[in-house]
Amino acid sequence: EAQVTQNPRYLITVTGKKLTVTCSQNMNHEYMSWYRQDPGLGLRQIYYSMNVEVTDKGDVPEGYKVSRKEKRNFPLILESPSPNQTSLYFCASSWRGRGNTEAFFGQGTRLTVV
Amino acid sequence: KNEVEQSPQNLTAQEGEFITINCSYSVGISALHWLQQHPGGGIVSLFMLSSGKKKHGRLIATINIQEKHSSLHITASHPRDSAVYICAVSYHRNTGNQFYFGTGTSLTVIP
Repeated sequence: EAQVTQNPRYLITVTGKKLTVTCSQNMNHEYMSWYRQDPGLGLRQIYYSMNVEVTDKGDVPEGYKVSRKEKRNFPLILESPSPNQTSLYFCASSWRGRGNTEAFFGQGTRLTVV
Repeated sequence: KNEVEQSPQNLTAQEGEFITINCSYSVGISALHWLQQHPGGGIVSLFMLSSGKKKHGRLIATINIQEKHSSLHITASHPRDSAVYICAVSYHRNTGNQFYFGTGTSLTVIP
């Protein structure tokens, strides 16, 4: 089954404790992205990637890192989480067709930083 | 940065009604996307448009590039259509696709 898998689905952590949210897709997609969703602000893009070792900042990259060492994986790293990073996070991937193509989203990760 | 405005923010309809959700954006785009977010939180891509009109079942999406405006129509609405509908615009960059999103339209269809 074609899917984007995020782990964990739920996470409660403390301020300053490094964490990684994993994202993996099995569709051989070139494009991958991370988003956060907050009430009243909607979805905002954190980082995006066109392929292995090619990443770029989205709208709200501060406090986050990403890596793309393999095509299928695109982990989101919070080196020193803070309470303002409490949010619902989504990973998405899409195929590099002509122009833009349909995005497939993971199930979401609800992160709480206390 | 593109401003993406959606209207209405909230919409309640009776089953069977024709529904329209509007989206406007401020800067030229590579594509426009309509997404559906279910009450459980999962997000599904409904349409990706760069011009014209697309139809899938009871859903129709249109875009007017000159007016910088798109509409999502639902014909013969059903309670299972109750969800948040999100408009997004994307730009194709050398490093990937950059996205900006509207804040969503919460639709409730009453039986």
